[in-house]
Amino acid sequence: QTVVTQEPSFSVSPGGTVTLTCGLSSGSVSTSYYPSWYQQTPGQAPRTLIYSTNTRSSGVPDRFSGSILGNKAALTITGAQADDESDYYCVLYMGSGHWVFGGGTKLTVL
Amino acid sequence: EVQLVESGGGLVKPGGSLRLSCAASGFTFSSYSMNWVRQAPGKGLEWVSSISSSSSYIYYADSVKGRFTISRDNAKNSLYLQMNSLRAEDTAVYYCARIGVGNTVDYWGQGTLVTVSS
Repeated sequence: QTVVTQEPSFSVSPGGTVTLTCGLSSGSVSTSYYPSWYQQTPGQAPRTLIYSTNTRSSGVPDRFSGSILGNKAALTITGAQADDESDYYCVLYMGSGHWVFGGGTKLTVL
Repeated sequence: EVQLVESGGGLVKPGGSLRLSCAASGFTFSSYSMNWVRQAPGKGLEWVSSISSSSSYIYYADSVKGRFTISRDNAKNSLYLQMNSLRAEDTAVYYCARIGVGNTVDYWGQGTLVTVSS
């Protein structure tokens, strides 16, 4: 069974930079998995931030960026703001119409 | 403006059935594959099922295979999820989601809550 791994929690200071990662329990994440990132605040639907590794969704500020770092997908937030405090989920496309979400990272800005 | 509006959620007893609907607008529904994604209370997101634009390809997560059926009516711009043999662990908010470029969800509905409890 494929498990997508994310840090359970992370903390960043206002104005700081943070990189969240998305890995596989077995193997490396590559662009072939079309890694995507979503932001979710309590009680709200997820919001798409990044798709296909590094393409920002419409309206997403350029302080959010996606990449492959080593064997993981990464979401970097530069110049963190208070309203970036959210849950962040990555998802990997496994092919054959299947996706697997990571467990999510709770980001605290303080 | 792309809009996805789910309906049909509610309280159902274990073993019961429920049919979710998703009304799509603001885009050419028949050109896009669609997903159902769920989120149990206090938990993360879980992909449930996907359907291609013409319904030719349908896929399910192992956790719902054999119990859930995804379908769509392109003439009505609607997506459905028929859920049978419901279990307590199916309790979740169910999101309808459009699959855009890059094999990714680009738009989400607001979700509908399904509660399975006696």
